[in-house]
Amino acid sequence: SAVISQKPSRDICQRGTSLTIQCQVDSQVTMMFWYRQQPGQSLTLIATANQGSEATYESGFVIDKFPISRPNLTFSTLTVSNMSPEDSSIYLCSVEVVGALTGELFFGEGSRLTVL
Amino acid sequence: SQQGEEDPQALSIQEGENATMNCSYKTSINNLQWYRQNSGRGLVHLILIRSNEREKHSGRLRVTLDTSKKSSSLLITASRAADTASYFCAVYSGGYQKVTFGTGTKLQVIP
Repeated sequence: SAVISQKPSRDICQRGTSLTIQCQVDSQVTMMFWYRQQPGQSLTLIATANQGSEATYESGFVIDKFPISRPNLTFSTLTVSNMSPEDSSIYLCSVEVVGALTGELFFGEGSRLTVL
Repeated sequence: SQQGEEDPQALSIQEGENATMNCSYKTSINNLQWYRQNSGRGLVHLILIRSNEREKHSGRLRVTLDTSKKSSSLLITASRAADTASYFCAVYSGGYQKVTFGTGTKLQVIP
């Protein structure tokens, strides 16, 4: 298993500003992902965070809007840039860890973002 | 886009009853998983079934997988109020190396 710490847990932001979410994992990580969950909806994969290189983005998500860093194996950040009310969502960091089943994900508690 | 469609979207049962949720998916998979999400919280992994397995049990949970129909079901037996949560199926496709989530079922267990 893994303990994943996400900061902030929630925030209220003004339109046009940017917010950076941090994700710290206490275990050896193989893969790290960022998901978005819009109100009342399911999870949508934003990108795979790659250590030391550019993230791999899913269709509909771009680096300029959601820059991601992963400077080491256990830490990553997601920035939501130039926010609009449509960005109000829960952003979730998830990981696959060494020793777990392939594809089995562990999640942080999420960062609930409200954009006014 | 969502890989899995779940039904029902919402389910309300009395404590002690069984709850069944169904999931259908579109492409070939390596495994299928079920997760639980309590309101406003992160997701918790419940159970994983591989594509070559047909049924799996874990405590009060029973999962079935029919790859010919591209469908799965999750059965929670003897439900408790604490089982109240949203349940998501998720599929892992090795070719894409990512997990894609279904639409979710919101379960309410009434004490």
